[in-house]
Amino acid sequence: DAGVIQSPRHEVTEMGQEVTLRCKPISGHDYLFWYRQTMMRGLELLIYFNNNVPIDDSGMPEDRFSAKMPNASFSTLKIQPSEPRDSAVYFCASSFSGTENQPQHFGDGTRLSIL
Amino acid sequence: AQKITQTQPGMFVQEKEAVTLDCTYDTSDPSYGLFWYKQPSSGEMIFLIYQGSYDQQNATEGRYSLNFQKARKSANLVISASQLGDSAMYFCAMRGLNTGFQKLVFGTGTRLLVSP
Repeated sequence: DAGVIQSPRHEVTEMGQEVTLRCKPISGHDYLFWYRQTMMRGLELLIYFNNNVPIDDSGMPEDRFSAKMPNASFSTLKIQPSEPRDSAVYFCASSFSGTENQPQHFGDGTRLSIL
Repeated sequence: AQKITQTQPGMFVQEKEAVTLDCTYDTSDPSYGLFWYKQPSSGEMIFLIYQGSYDQQNATEGRYSLNFQKARKSANLVISASQLGDSAMYFCAMRGLNTGFQKLVFGTGTRLLVSP
């Protein structure tokens, strides 16, 4: 079975540019999560969706960040305009809500560098 | 609020020996789940093992077992017969009833180095 697929794997761009990260969750999973990992702050939950609807975006750092899930098989995380402090690894994860022991399955992450 | 504490920033173990990675947690949730993830140097996050707060027995998955002590609020990961490929960062995480069993809170991680 295909796991969570993220693209691109690496992104290097200049400050002020728009950045779009993409995620395809595991088929059949009804929850999708976006995390950010940095040395200073560790793993932070940015936002999560249930059945394509945003449930909690309290972790989104500021208005420059936005996330969408237009359908069950695709989500984007957009940063506009990007800043050097946005440099991090961004993970997408998905899970199935069927039973409480269902883990979140993570993609390989997008390593983002803002120059 | 939920909080995960991993007090060991780094651990060393020799190949074939067992190692315990510590995790303590704090929560007011009456029901919760505890997870361990492995993050090798390649960066991906790999789910290892799950323990539910009402599970009567400690979870086991192959060489991984979870030493769950509810009264002490600890959920230590035990890796038996360490292998070189076990060298990685290990994260303890939890989620609880009050957040619909969806929001995972992670600890800061422990870096494990397995030497030949």
